[in-house]
This record gives sequence, C-alpha cells and structure tokens, in this order.
Amino acid sequence: AQKITQTQPGMFVQEKEAVTLDCTYDTSDPSYGLFWYKQPSSGEMIFLIYQGSYDQQNATEGRYSLNFQKARKSANLVISASQLGDSAMYFCAMRETQGGSEKLVFGKGMKLTVNP
Amino acid sequence: EAGVAQSPRYKIIEKRQSVAFWCNPISGHATLYWYQQILGQGPKLLIQFQNNGVVDDSQLPKDRFSAERLKGVDSTLKIQPAKLEDSAVYLCASSPNRGGGRARETQYFGPGTRLLVL
Repeated sequence: AQKITQTQPGMFVQEKEAVTLDCTYDTSDPSYGLFWYKQPSSGEMIFLIYQGSYDQQNATEGRYSLNFQKARKSANLVISASQLGDSAMYFCAMRETQGGSEKLVFGKGMKLTVNP
Repeated sequence: EAGVAQSPRYKIIEKRQSVAFWCNPISGHATLYWYQQILGQGPKLLIQFQNNGVVDDSQLPKDRFSAERLKGVDSTLKIQPAKLEDSAVYLCASSPNRGGGRARETQYFGPGTRLLVL
C-alpha cells in the first residue's frame, strides 16, 4: 500500500499568490513525522518543514506552513506569496521507524511552476 | 558548515560495466543514507549506516550493489555489473541522529550523482 500519496502531478501558480500542495499518508504508528522537501532542477533535496504527529500546532517556517489534519491523514504544504524561485519538484515524506532504524518514505512528488 | 558532498555529479556507462559513487557527509553526522531516485519517482532508501555499521540494507540489490563506510565518515556505493534499470540519481544524505527522541532532526542531502546506463 502506498504510504505517501501526492495526487497532483503538476501545478501552476502566479507569482505572489498562495498555493497548496496536497499530501496524504497512511500509517498505523501513533508516533510519526512528516517532512516536505523541495528539489530544484539542480537535484539537491532541500528540507522545508517538519510536522510531528503529536505537535499541537501546525508547523510554520517563513513562507511555508503545513496544514496538518491528523484525522484525515493529510499534511498539505502551503506556500504563501509564491516566488519564481519556488518552481521545483516538491516531495512529501514520512519517517518510519522499524527495528531501530529510521528512514524516510517519499511520495512521487509534484511539480510546481510559478509564472511571472 | 559544509554540506554533503558527492562525486561524480554525472556518469555514463554501458551495461555490465561497474561504477562507484562517493559521499562525504556533514562533519559529525553519525548517520548516512544512500537513496536511489528513478525519474518521475521519489527517492528510495538503499542503505543506511550508523557510524560505520549497516542499520538497514533491506532494499539494496545485494547481487550487484555494495556500499561501505570505512571509519564512519566517507562512504562509497558500487554497482557491478550495471543494468539499464539502474539509470537514476543516487542521493547521499546524512543526519546527526543523536537519538533521545530528537524527532525534528531531518536528513541533509547532497547534490546527487546522475547515472545513465546505456
């Protein structure tokens, strides 16, 4: 079963507008972590924001915020005031803990294009 | 602070040849990861090291892939012999992984090595 689902293959947004990138997840663990990464064309994965399953408030990091709806198992990324440099692939990931090891399980990603 | 370094950035080989990738993690990071990212997909973990010991290699195709992390710092990933389906970006990441419930620790990724197998 797919653990991280990103259904939007691509999105377009006008510069300075806000955009929401969807992510749903599946886990039976009560304790987990959710991450969003940005991958520009250069290929490097850049950490954006983290949400812990027990966090009481939605995470925020500058222009990035996470709309965490635990009951619905969704962790959507909101980018406010889009910039041209935000054009990239975006990946949602969940941290799994198995047998003492922790690993990230990634979704397929979605491509965001910011238009001037 | 220097980031995760990887080399080479690009590599083109023919099938059945061998290839090796190198990774230097962020100084002091105990945990090192190798991921494979096939075009159009998210990264998939191949192997995880804690210092110089293997923690998880369940998704490493051991008949052709091998990895080592001598002295708990640099790491190399080798493919021998390569197949067409090995064409991908190979990402190295590291994390402090100090344990103790430091849930917010993320992984820091290098720029990756783009491998094309012809």
